[in-house]
Amino acid sequence: DAGVIQSPRHEVTEMGQEVTLRCKPISGHDYLFWYRQTMMRGLELLIYFNNNVPIDDSGMPEDRFSAKMPNASFSTLKIQPSEPRDSAVYFCASSERGSLTDTQYFGPGTRLTVL
Amino acid sequence: GEDVEQSLFLSVREGDSSVINCTYTDSSSTYLYWYKQEPGAGLQLLTYIFSNMDMKQDQRLTVLLNKKDKHLSLRIADTQTGDSAIYFCADTNAGKSTFGDGTTLTVKP
Repeated sequence: DAGVIQSPRHEVTEMGQEVTLRCKPISGHDYLFWYRQTMMRGLELLIYFNNNVPIDDSGMPEDRFSAKMPNASFSTLKIQPSEPRDSAVYFCASSERGSLTDTQYFGPGTRLTVL
Repeated sequence: GEDVEQSLFLSVREGDSSVINCTYTDSSSTYLYWYKQEPGAGLQLLTYIFSNMDMKQDQRLTVLLNKKDKHLSLRIADTQTGDSAIYFCADTNAGKSTFGDGTTLTVKP
């Protein structure tokens, strides 16, 4: 398997624009996680899905953030409108519940810069 | 809620041992993990320990778990410059992991 795939790898946008980040989890994994990483706040869990259903979105900062998982092989994280404080690296991770260790496999991340 | 804490920085000389410490609060964690993040990359599982174990050794890595004190440590023997990275401690419960803030390990030649 190619691992967790995220796109784009880098995104530079202007304040007020809509940003959509994409993730393809590892085939067969039933959990998908979205994280945000900044120097100031470290690694934050934003939302996670189980079998395409959002389980916990309490980490989503505000209504400008939304996430969807229309099927088992695709998820999006959308920010509308974007603000400079949203600049961060956004990671997607997937795991297989019931596997030996529940290990999460991380994608390479999307580095978002909002000007 | 669950909390995982670690010291933020550690600096060692090449060839020395590194010990990274972590404390957690969720006593029902099934597994505890150490992830490694190299610059510009995502987190990658380094090693894990089952909660009913107190030690696990994997080549240069030794994981010690004190379940009573909820303390986890990672020892890297003969630390190399390639070990310079951020190391995250994490626990897991019902499929969800809680990560610490990460310890930045700097290895000086």
